[in-house]
Amino acid sequence: LAKTTQPISMDSYEGQEVNITCSHNNIATNDYITWYQQFPSQGPRFIIQGYKTKVTNEVASLFIPADRKSSTLSLPRVSLSDTAVYYCLVGTEGSGTYKYIFGTGTRLKVLA
Amino acid sequence: SQTIHQWPATLVQPVGSPLSLECTVEGTSNPNLYWYRQAAGRGLQLLFYSVGIGQISSEVPQNLSASRPQDRQFILSSKKLLLSDSGFYLCAWSADTDQPQHFGDGTRLSIL
Repeated sequence: LAKTTQPISMDSYEGQEVNITCSHNNIATNDYITWYQQFPSQGPRFIIQGYKTKVTNEVASLFIPADRKSSTLSLPRVSLSDTAVYYCLVGTEGSGTYKYIFGTGTRLKVLA
Repeated sequence: SQTIHQWPATLVQPVGSPLSLECTVEGTSNPNLYWYRQAAGRGLQLLFYSVGIGQISSEVPQNLSASRPQDRQFILSSKKLLLSDSGFYLCAWSADTDQPQHFGDGTRLSIL
């Protein structure tokens, strides 16, 4: 099964750009890469999803290299409220169905 | 708009007691439904997913079971809870993808 690898934790200061990279060497050929944000005692919230190259929305950008073995979530000008755990999610083919395995996530702490 | 409801928000149960957690989705039809568990400070573990009424796939063999009696209702059950069943239980749904897109607010289950 595909596994994702992310840094366990990161610290940043308000106003800085934060880049969180996820490695996913066994990503399924036709599968998307999805990033979520989770605050304590809440369910994860969808942030952004992409297949290749670059995707941008109002809260983040997602960079995916040509080999798709990794992806980088970019958060521009973080604020204290961006302190959360960030997960990347990819799928791998198994028994005819996709299997989606969450990694341990990256705990981002934004400092004033 | 689509919404997902989970209840109860918190639950304290003695070892050996039964369990029933309910999840309902509104505003969509034939969603894919998921149950995840998150231990304290850990990532999300997929327990069950369902692509339709009566169709349940189990990812982790244990003393938990799931049922989908109606299109937008997903129930997590146990006949006899173990201490190791403590955790944060999350229900999620998706529309046109096998990846969970929207999560509920979760149920924090404590076993005494």
